[in-house]
Amino acid sequence: DGGITQSPKYLFRKEGQNVTLSCEQNLNHDAMYWYRQDPGQGLRLIYYSQIVNDFQKGDIAEGYSVSREKKESFPLTVTSAQKNPTAFYLCASSMGGPGLQFFGPGTRLTVL
Amino acid sequence: QKEVEQDPGPLSVPEGAIVSLNCTYSNSAFQYFMWYRQYSRKGPELLMYTYSSGNKEDGRFTAQVDKSSKYISLFIRDSQPSDSATYLCAMSWSGAGSYQLTFGKGTKLSVIP
Repeated sequence: DGGITQSPKYLFRKEGQNVTLSCEQNLNHDAMYWYRQDPGQGLRLIYYSQIVNDFQKGDIAEGYSVSREKKESFPLTVTSAQKNPTAFYLCASSMGGPGLQFFGPGTRLTVL
Repeated sequence: QKEVEQDPGPLSVPEGAIVSLNCTYSNSAFQYFMWYRQYSRKGPELLMYTYSSGNKEDGRFTAQVDKSSKYISLFIRDSQPSDSATYLCAMSWSGAGSYQLTFGKGTKLSVIP
């Protein structure tokens, strides 16, 4: 089945620790995105990548880092510099064009 | 900043009702208009997208765009309890060589049996 997978579904982290969220797609899409979703705030763009080995900051990149070494993979690291990391994280991919994006199931990160 | 306004609800309707969900926007740079459905604790699912002003129908769902008024709508006919979800509108714009999406904050819909 073609699609986007995110792992883990739930993640718990202690304050001061870095954590990496996985995102994999087998849709052969060029572009990939990371969003953060908080209650009442909608989706906010963290980082995006249009091609391998290239990525750009979104609206709320501070405290996050990404890599794009393979077309299929776009992991997100939430660093200890992120002041309020507890949120629902969504990965998406797109063929480009009009910007139709397809989302993974999400990872719920909780900082203890 | 390109903004999209969407009433967060919650909206509660009886089963079989016609549902109308709406978004307004202020920037004419938006080119494509989409509706996503998001069930609780799941990723958003693309429902419909459209480019031009007018209506687009898919089963019980109709997407309507009025570019002159900067207003888009999603209508759900014969609503079912399985339609209970949060509906997000999204609009794409082209910048820095790529398309980006701006999302509304979502409207939470409950369809009561």
